[in-house]
Amino acid sequence: DTAVSQTPKYLVTQMGNDKSIKCEQNLGHDTMYWYKQDSKKFLKIMFSYNNKELIINETVPNRFSPKSPDKAHLNLHINSLELGDSAVYFCASSPWVNTEAFFGQGTRLTVV
Amino acid sequence: KQEVTQIPAALSVPEGENLVLNCSFTDSAIYNLQWFRQDPGKGLTSLLLIQSSQREQTSGRLNASLDKSSGRSTLYIAASQPGDSATYLCAVPVGGGADGLTFGKGTHLIIQP
Repeated sequence: DTAVSQTPKYLVTQMGNDKSIKCEQNLGHDTMYWYKQDSKKFLKIMFSYNNKELIINETVPNRFSPKSPDKAHLNLHINSLELGDSAVYFCASSPWVNTEAFFGQGTRLTVV
Repeated sequence: KQEVTQIPAALSVPEGENLVLNCSFTDSAIYNLQWFRQDPGKGLTSLLLIQSSQREQTSGRLNASLDKSSGRSTLYIAASQPGDSATYLCAVPVGGGADGLTFGKGTHLIIQP
């Protein structure tokens, strides 16, 4: 009965590979997000997706692309992985914009 | 551009003490402010959400206050316990739409048994 779930929890991959992280929420929320937590534990918004509108943080490389097959899912695809992509990625959701956000457990991505 | 600062960066106190964590933000035009805790290797757990029209919000031993005009919020933890040890993060919405949250760097709290 996990509210926001991400898979996998850990992901180790080589440079240059393409990988995906899945996120699902069973809260019936309209808005979903992806955040990146870097090695210094600083959390930064990457994307938000609300009612089929995608808002992209301008600092995110275009190798990163979110895909939402339906309102309950927002997957993160990453192409041509680089060492600097190593981080913990968090999915989150909220009922609507500017409402309480709920986070998944995170996916620790390690690029070697 | 909204910036969020949390003071102190780290805090270690004996069990049983009452303590205050501070959060400040540069743009006072916020819809709400949210406090989270993060345990090592875990996700974020929402603790309290204060709407911009509210002055404070309480949940158990936690009390969060908001002074929007001065750009400040505090999280008060009463009668601290070792289980309260975690990193506490405050966050405000980035903008007026679905732009996500801007986070502070957190306060790493250790409660000594």
